[in-house]
Amino acid sequence: DAGVIQSPRHEVTEMGQEVTLRCKPISGHDYLFWYRQTMMRGLELLIYFNNNVPIDDSGMPEDRFSAKMPNASFSTLKIQPSEPRDSAVYFCASTLKPGLGYTFGSGTRLTVV
Amino acid sequence: AQTVTQSQPEMSVQEAETVTLSCTYDTSENNYYLFWYKQPPSRQMILVIRQEAYKQQNATENRFSVNFQKAAKSFSLKISDSQLGDTAMYFCAFILQGAQKLVFGQGTRLTINP
Repeated sequence: DAGVIQSPRHEVTEMGQEVTLRCKPISGHDYLFWYRQTMMRGLELLIYFNNNVPIDDSGMPEDRFSAKMPNASFSTLKIQPSEPRDSAVYFCASTLKPGLGYTFGSGTRLTVV
Repeated sequence: AQTVTQSQPEMSVQEAETVTLSCTYDTSENNYYLFWYKQPPSRQMILVIRQEAYKQQNATENRFSVNFQKAAKSFSLKISDSQLGDTAMYFCAFILQGAQKLVFGQGTRLTINP
């Protein structure tokens, strides 16, 4: 298995632009998680899905952030409009059972200028 | 709410030495799982080791082992014969049995010096 695949690896965008981050989980994994990592706040869970259904989005910072999972093999995290404080590394992770631990993607480093 | 605390923001040791990273957690539940993740400069989060709380035996993966003290709510990671490739951020994490969300500590930055 190729693991959890995220794209792009790096994204630089201007303030106000729309940004879309993509994730392909491991086949057969029923859970998908989106995390944000910054120096100040560490790893923050933004949202997670179970069987393509959003279960908990309490970590989504504000309405500018949205996430979808249209099918079992694809998820997106969208920021519209982007702001400099959104600059961070965004991780996607998946798992068959949370008690087994998560498998993370390689992350997307987002820079908003 | 469950919390995970890593009290050592940074550590540095010489290659081939043994190093221990500390982690404590807080929960009133009895059944849960604990993890150590490694994040090297490549930023990939890699699962190093997993411990089931109901197992008294400490988990081991090659040079990596844990000291799980359930009563003390302590879960330290020992790296033996450290190598330059062990240089990374190390995160301790916790999840209750039946829950979905991992709780992470703030991490320990470990540097292995040649």
